[in-house]
Amino acid sequence: DIVMTQSPDSLAVSLGERATINCKSSQSVFYSSNNKNQLAWYQQKPGQPPKLLIYWASTRESGVPDRFSGSGSGTDFTLTISSLQAEDVAVYYCQQYYTIPPTFGQGTKLEIK
Amino acid sequence: QVQLVQSGAEVKKPGASVKVSCKASGYTFTSNSVHWVRQAPGQSLEWMGWINTDNGDTKYLQKLQGRVTISRDTSASTAFMELTNLRSEDTAVYYCARSRAGTSLYLALSVWGQGTTVTVSS
Repeated sequence: DIVMTQSPDSLAVSLGERATINCKSSQSVFYSSNNKNQLAWYQQKPGQPPKLLIYWASTRESGVPDRFSGSGSGTDFTLTISSLQAEDVAVYYCQQYYTIPPTFGQGTKLEIK
Repeated sequence: QVQLVQSGAEVKKPGASVKVSCKASGYTFTSNSVHWVRQAPGQSLEWMGWINTDNGDTKYLQKLQGRVTISRDTSASTAFMELTNLRSEDTAVYYCARSRAGTSLYLALSVWGQGTTVTVSS
């Protein structure tokens, strides 16, 4: 199975500042047949299901604010929130869908400093 | 609007079975596959399995093989997940989720059900 490792486990950022979350996969999730990285980012608030933010590593889901962006390729990926808002407090997960079973990172808890 | 509505919370004894339903609305059920993902208390997300809602093909997490069955009723636009021989470590919130586009397994999950809490306790 592909192991997804996120860093840091928790993060405190001031309102309006940039937040950066990293995700590393134990093997490449780049699929040459479609030239895409099979990597997604989700946001989960307490008591709610996860919400898709980013897919194909860098494509923002419809309705997601443009302060959220994804980057990276191969085995190393980053989710960036350019200007943290109070409503962004949540746990963030990366997920690979390159191979079976799809696997998730352990999560990064984002709080306000 | 597109939504997935799951059945209600369950409390089961060890060794029992549970069957959770996931009713889709707002789109053509057979156009997108359905995955099942669970989350134990305070833990990350664990993929359990997938069903191609068009042809019924399924894939399961290897460690759950033999205990989990995912099925669908296309006439009712509903997917089901049954887990047998329950253990305390199966206590979790169980989610169904729809693939973002198409019936392939290899897609992100764009629509999630509200979750069903399953508690296994003697």
